[in-house]
Amino acid sequence: DTGVSQDPRHKITKRGQNVTFRCDPISEHNRLYWYRQTLGQGPEFLTYFQNEAQLEKSRLLSDRFSAERPKGSFSTLEIQRTEQGDSAMYLCASSFQGSGELFFGEGSRLTVL
Amino acid sequence: AQSVTQPDIHITVSEGASLELRCNYSYGATPYLFWYVQSPGQGLQLLLKYFSGDTLVQGIKGFEAEFKRSQSSFNLRKPSVHWSDAAEYFCAVGGGGATNKLIFGTGTLLAVQP
Repeated sequence: DTGVSQDPRHKITKRGQNVTFRCDPISEHNRLYWYRQTLGQGPEFLTYFQNEAQLEKSRLLSDRFSAERPKGSFSTLEIQRTEQGDSAMYLCASSFQGSGELFFGEGSRLTVL
Repeated sequence: AQSVTQPDIHITVSEGASLELRCNYSYGATPYLFWYVQSPGQGLQLLLKYFSGDTLVQGIKGFEAEFKRSQSSFNLRKPSVHWSDAAEYFCAVGGGGATNKLIFGTGTLLAVQP
């Protein structure tokens, strides 16, 4: 499978714990995006990378959230001291610069108890 | 401000009937427009896209959409709905190559009656 892959698909955690999600983009894509989707809503932009550089962050990305893409390939999204309001689907997408089109992974669903 | 409005939260159609899902956008420049479909618990699958040229675009699974600049709309249509089309549909707008970042609407949940 050469699509965008995300891991884990599901994560249940207790409030206050840290969680990390991983995204592996399509190999030739140099841009990588993180979105958050809550129930009944459309995906909301969190941040994106071009190669290893994080070029934009949404105000939705609080200080408890950090994203990295250290070698310009896979990316991680870490949430520290999780809160119940962090419960959502976290979607990763990748694209090739200039293409205008995003390819999405299956998402990582987070449940904070 | 850049935004996408999908005025219909939930639509029910009978199998075999035609379908139109509405999408209106607000964007300061020439928009790139997309329709994605999402099945429960899954990611987003691209149905079709409009970048330029012919304002009627064809997509996968028999879907089409028409870009109407004067109405700031990009409505999705299908002449005959199948039960497998039941899913949530999202319209999105972006600026293309500068960032590729997309802004999504809140979605329309489609139910198909037998």
